[in-house]
Amino acid sequence: DAGVTQSPTHLIKTRGQQVTLRCSPISGHKSVSWYQQVLGQGPQFIFQYYEKEERGRGNFPDRFSARQFPNYSSELNVNALLLGDSALYLCASSRLGLAAANEQFFGPGTRLTVL
Amino acid sequence: DAKTTQPNSMESNEEEPVHLPCNHSTISGTDYIHWYRQLPSQGPEYVIHGLTSNVNNRMASLAIAEDRKSSTLILHRATLRDAAVYYCILRGYNTDKLIFGTGTRLQVFP
Repeated sequence: DAGVTQSPTHLIKTRGQQVTLRCSPISGHKSVSWYQQVLGQGPQFIFQYYEKEERGRGNFPDRFSARQFPNYSSELNVNALLLGDSALYLCASSRLGLAAANEQFFGPGTRLTVL
Repeated sequence: DAKTTQPNSMESNEEEPVHLPCNHSTISGTDYIHWYRQLPSQGPEYVIHGLTSNVNNRMASLAIAEDRKSSTLILHRATLRDAAVYYCILRGYNTDKLIFGTGTRLQVFP
């Protein structure tokens, strides 16, 4: 089975622009989470979606938004990009979505550079 | 959110056992202890998790203190491919949210 896939792999934007990142979960997984990883730090939780509903939101400004589609794929949107948004954006999927014993599977990430 | 404390870095020689410690003194009764690792240029990868009892799987073993305020990830025979950043995470019940710290960077020498 294919793992979590993310597109694009790399992206370069300028300040003030908007970006959309995409994630396809493992087949059968209904939960998708998004993380931001700045160089040298651990990933930070942004959003979780389960069955197309937002189930969790991290400490990020309203410029960050996301949605989940009926096929459980997801998009992360970031508006009015800042230099500090440069990071690796990771998507993770899980089967159950709401269980602490649930393993999460991460994609390879999208590297966003804001100039 | 409950926090974990890990050493910044550790070193090991190939084929030796490695014990990666984690302190989590503020753990609640329903928190699971999860370990993930991140190899260079990759997303994090699940290693193991546990609640109260010690756990073993094909990748590693997890030893949990009786009071649950600390745990140790054990790699029985380190290989060069085990060089990664290892994250100890407390995960609350009924959520997929993972709170990553800075982790422990493990170096493995041949």
